[in-house]
Amino acid sequence: AQSVTQPDIHITVSEGASLELRCNYSYGATPYLFWYVQSPGQGLQLLLKYFSGDTLVQGIKGFEAEFKRSQSSFNLRKPSVHWSDAAEYFCAVGSNQAGTALIFGKGTTLSVSS
Amino acid sequence: SAVISQKPSRDICQRGTSLTIQCQVDSQVTMMFWYRQQPGQSLTLIATANQGSEATYESGFVIDKFPISRPNLTFSTLTVSNMSPEDSSIYLCSVGQGPSSGANVLTFGAGSRLTVL
Repeated sequence: AQSVTQPDIHITVSEGASLELRCNYSYGATPYLFWYVQSPGQGLQLLLKYFSGDTLVQGIKGFEAEFKRSQSSFNLRKPSVHWSDAAEYFCAVGSNQAGTALIFGKGTTLSVSS
Repeated sequence: SAVISQKPSRDICQRGTSLTIQCQVDSQVTMMFWYRQQPGQSLTLIATANQGSEATYESGFVIDKFPISRPNLTFSTLTVSNMSPEDSSIYLCSVGQGPSSGANVLTFGAGSRLTVL
């Protein structure tokens, strides 16, 4: 079955510390992987995506993610967290076919402490 | 990417009533998707709406409960019928960028937060 697992429901990080959010997927075809962020009262914003090529992808707001096929993982990282990064983060997987929806993980809530 | 406007942004509804959510896109798109996000949960796909054809519903969602209209390439509505407290959720409209982008990247509206009493 196709699925996305985000093992951490809630993470608290000190401002300025590094961050890693975990994501594991199960997908029958070549996976196209995404990270979205949802701030309180806001819609989902795309942080970054992986289609092919370099397995380390850069996104907006200083985020990056690394695709590891052998581990079926696509973990999100940021070297130094800012208070404004506090939000809900969703990992998603999809295909390269236009018109197909994404499968989302349950999300990880990030809190940033001062 | 497309800009999506959803309304209402939030509403409080009485049990047994129905509510229609509107989704307007600033460009023509082939497919639109409706997702539900229950409190503390992830996004679950309700249906895919193609202009000019019946919406395709995911397992667990039926047309009688969630009728969808797609009258043109920039607009869609989702109705939540005969609401119960279990329907309290955020409902999100999304559209995908076409094959020219190489893959289906979804853009989301801000969502409609429904509370059913």
